Amino acid sequence: NAGVMQNPRHLVRRRGQEARLRCSPMKGHSHVYWYRQLPEEGLKFMVYLQKENIIDESGMPKERFSAEFPKEGPSILRIQQVVRGDSAAYFCASSPRIGQGAMNTEAFFGQGTRLTVV
Amino acid sequence: QKEVEQNSGPLSVPEGAIASLNCTYSDRGSQSFFWYRQYSGKSPELIMSIYSNGDKEDGRFTAQLNKASQYVSLLIRDSQPSDSATYLCAVKPVPSNTGNQFYFGTGTSLTVIP
Repeated sequence: NAGVMQNPRHLVRRRGQEARLRCSPMKGHSHVYWYRQLPEEGLKFMVYLQKENIIDESGMPKERFSAEFPKEGPSILRIQQVVRGDSAAYFCASSPRIGQGAMNTEAFFGQGTRLTVV
Repeated sequence: QKEVEQNSGPLSVPEGAIASLNCTYSDRGSQSFFWYRQYSGKSPELIMSIYSNGDKEDGRFTAQLNKASQYVSLLIRDSQPSDSATYLCAVKPVPSNTGNQFYFGTGTSLTVIP
């Protein structure tokens, strides 16, 4: 019973290149969250997705960043034209599908992707 | 803006003592509360969830929730050096059409001194 799978674990990109980070949620989970964490800082929310739907992208930078969660396949966080300031750990978490009013849900994190921009 | 506040620490306790970690939240409608542990360079790991007022115990960990005071805490009894980590408080409001979001505090760094 695999947990949340993220790949790659480490990614090195030169300035101006594109970075693609992948996240496969736990089996049975249809909610995916992306967070960014800079060294010695907390988790910063980026985007919340369900299958084929972006529910909340209030934490996403307006430019260069995009996310998707297609009907088939993993969720993708895409960073175009990376800059040094994009260097961070990017974590994905997933939680089960719930109905309105349900409370008892827990989110589980993947191991993260450490992005280094050189 | 829904906010979750934690004392960043660092908090140091001797081995065997009780470590007390605190968290306050601004959204009175919040319904679900979680504590995560994050070792340096690792991903957050869920250690406790609590949904009702009062205490919830799991081994050496006790989560306490007081919705009237908008306060949630984590007690670690018989602290061990292996408990040294950053502890993240997460809060989830009632789900709505705009989201089922988790709001995280910035974390409290705990060091257990042998």
